[in-house]
Amino acid sequence: GQQVMQIPQYQHVQEGEDFTTYCNSSTTLSNIQWYKQRPGGHPVFLIQLVKSGEVKKQKRLTFQFGEAKKNSSLHITATQTTDVGTYFCLSSGNTGKLIFGQGTTLQVKP
Amino acid sequence: EPEVTQTPSHQVTQMGQEVILRCVPISNHLYFYWYRQILGQKVEFLVSFYNNEISEKSEIFDDQFSVERPDGSNFTLKIRSTKLEDSAMYFCASGAAPMNTEAFFGQGTRLTVV
Repeated sequence: GQQVMQIPQYQHVQEGEDFTTYCNSSTTLSNIQWYKQRPGGHPVFLIQLVKSGEVKKQKRLTFQFGEAKKNSSLHITATQTTDVGTYFCLSSGNTGKLIFGQGTTLQVKP
Repeated sequence: EPEVTQTPSHQVTQMGQEVILRCVPISNHLYFYWYRQILGQKVEFLVSFYNNEISEKSEIFDDQFSVERPDGSNFTLKIRSTKLEDSAMYFCASGAAPMNTEAFFGQGTRLTVV
């Protein structure tokens, strides 16, 4: 079935370093959403990307949707300890079914 | 701020028993979802529900699972005969539009099957 692959699975960074997580699909995605899940918490919506090549920014977070709408990335500039958590991408793909990526767990050392 | 509420927060049940997980979506939302997350693993889609019927379901959502919106406010997930591997955190989510807009997640129900 359709899958969205997300890498890396884990990332440990020093506070102040940058962080990037990637989602890749073998098929075209109609849209992609990004969620953050703090340890012990529930997923919280961050942003949605719809258009080919779209780039959106939220303070230190930059989200990109690939030109072919098969990949997406989330980049955090100058990480802070409050960025700790697991970041998931979510897409409905072309089947309508909702698929989460495996998630990237970010640890930030102060 | 409106939120999705789920009860109970933790449910322990014996293998083979039926469980009902309850959710109260945000009041003006029309699209409802159940997801599960086995400890340490990714969030997995179970089912989406709109207009009083299932609109999509995953391979996980087999005949042991059912969903209902019995009274216009609650949205329930029933597992008829629980198995050990059903132990997971179950999240309910709701949205105002189809899954191309923000989904609001509840805090989850941790189901432990013993």
